[in-house]
Amino acid sequence: SAVISQKPSRDICQRGTSLTIQCQVDSQVTMMFWYRQQPGQSLTLIATANQGSEATYESGFVIDKFPISRPNLTFSTLTVSNMSPEDSSIYLCSVEGRDAYEQYFGPGTRLTVT
Amino acid sequence: AQTVTQSQPEMSVQEAETVTLSCTYDTSESDYYLFWYKQPPSRQMILVIRQEAYKQQNATENRFSVNFQKAAKSFSLKISDSQLGDAAMYFCASGGGSNYKLTFGKGTLLTVNP
Repeated sequence: SAVISQKPSRDICQRGTSLTIQCQVDSQVTMMFWYRQQPGQSLTLIATANQGSEATYESGFVIDKFPISRPNLTFSTLTVSNMSPEDSSIYLCSVEGRDAYEQYFGPGTRLTVT
Repeated sequence: AQTVTQSQPEMSVQEAETVTLSCTYDTSESDYYLFWYKQPPSRQMILVIRQEAYKQQNATENRFSVNFQKAAKSFSLKISDSQLGDAAMYFCASGGGSNYKLTFGKGTLLTVNP
């Protein structure tokens, strides 16, 4: 399976600021995904990021709030903009796996907004 | 649209015993895939097992096996000879359609008692 790293692993940010989370994978992948996991909750897909095209956002998530970059086949960033305490969550990136619909996940970024 | 339901918020099992985690799903896709993921306190999501819906044979991975009942839309996970390291949150997920997204259930927190 792919080795995926995320930076930072955790951060504490002030309300109104922005944070960019990086996701790096050790092999080339077409599809990368960004999820949010609110405290004690399940995973909710924010967007799908394919290299060479605009990210596709899920209902309830907008590009102005969660801009995503996908400059190459091994890297993506998610920015959480104009943060509020409600954005406190774990943010996970994942990549397509070897088999259909399989996904491998990064270790996550724990974000706390004060 | 796909929905995944895990009706057991918490389960516990004695070490070396067997436990079964329940999952039901609904999908409009004729071709779909089902997964169980494990998330220990380290928060790294780990793929435990996958099942292709077109396969009648239940998937098995070492101590982990599934009971896939397609007509009932049921996909339970059986963990045999439970170990302390099995303690984690377990998420059931389904994927299907052209967008390669996964839909996750709310999770079941498994405690393993020594």
